[in-house]
Amino acid sequence: DTEVTQTPKHLVMGMTNKKSLKCEQHMGHRAMYWYKQKAKKPPELMFVYSYEKLSINESVPSRFSPECPNSSLLNLHLHALQPEDSALYLCASSQEGQKGGPQHFGDGTRLSIL
Amino acid sequence: GNSVTQMEGPVTLSEEAFLTINCTYTATGYPSLFWYVQYPGEGLQLLLKATKADDKGSNKGFEATYRKETTSFHLEKGSVQVSDSAVYFCALSDPIDTGNQFYFGTGTSLTVIP
Repeated sequence: DTEVTQTPKHLVMGMTNKKSLKCEQHMGHRAMYWYKQKAKKPPELMFVYSYEKLSINESVPSRFSPECPNSSLLNLHLHALQPEDSALYLCASSQEGQKGGPQHFGDGTRLSIL
Repeated sequence: GNSVTQMEGPVTLSEEAFLTINCTYTATGYPSLFWYVQYPGEGLQLLLKATKADDKGSNKGFEATYRKETTSFHLEKGSVQVSDSAVYFCALSDPIDTGNQFYFGTGTSLTVIP
């Protein structure tokens, strides 16, 4: 069982829709991450939050909008996505202040854009 | 800069065969090293880790030793099972990086046949 919970597990949306992905952890971790993963490829970092503040944005298009409402929750708001955005979106968390410590991943949301 | 080079796959082995997946790294500081495993339809699970030179990480019969002199962290298992079929990612975390960023290898797909 994963300690990072992501919902929904699957999402199909049209290019004009607005939807949100959610991620929750209760391990007391203060660093949280969004990754995009294409089939047979490693995860690509999108955003990093540290103590609820955005610390890294890897030049992600504005149609992806992250939000960290509190230390346990991380959202990714989606709007006007393109077919190439279809992928597995992974959330992860780690202990801020434990440099070099592991990241803990959720099972991801598999997103399909029609 | 930081990077991870991982053995190309896919790898196909018979049950009970010996497994080695090569991983070498480049780092500016003194990184922590990880192996993650991803089963079909799931997120990444931490398999093992090592935080300093000569450390050996081990879990579920898998082992990897942090070799600073060869900048390597090869994954080994003495006798693979069908249930080990998955994609394996080598990863690096540099403690001097902001936000505990991870650098992933390209992943190695392993299939174990009965």
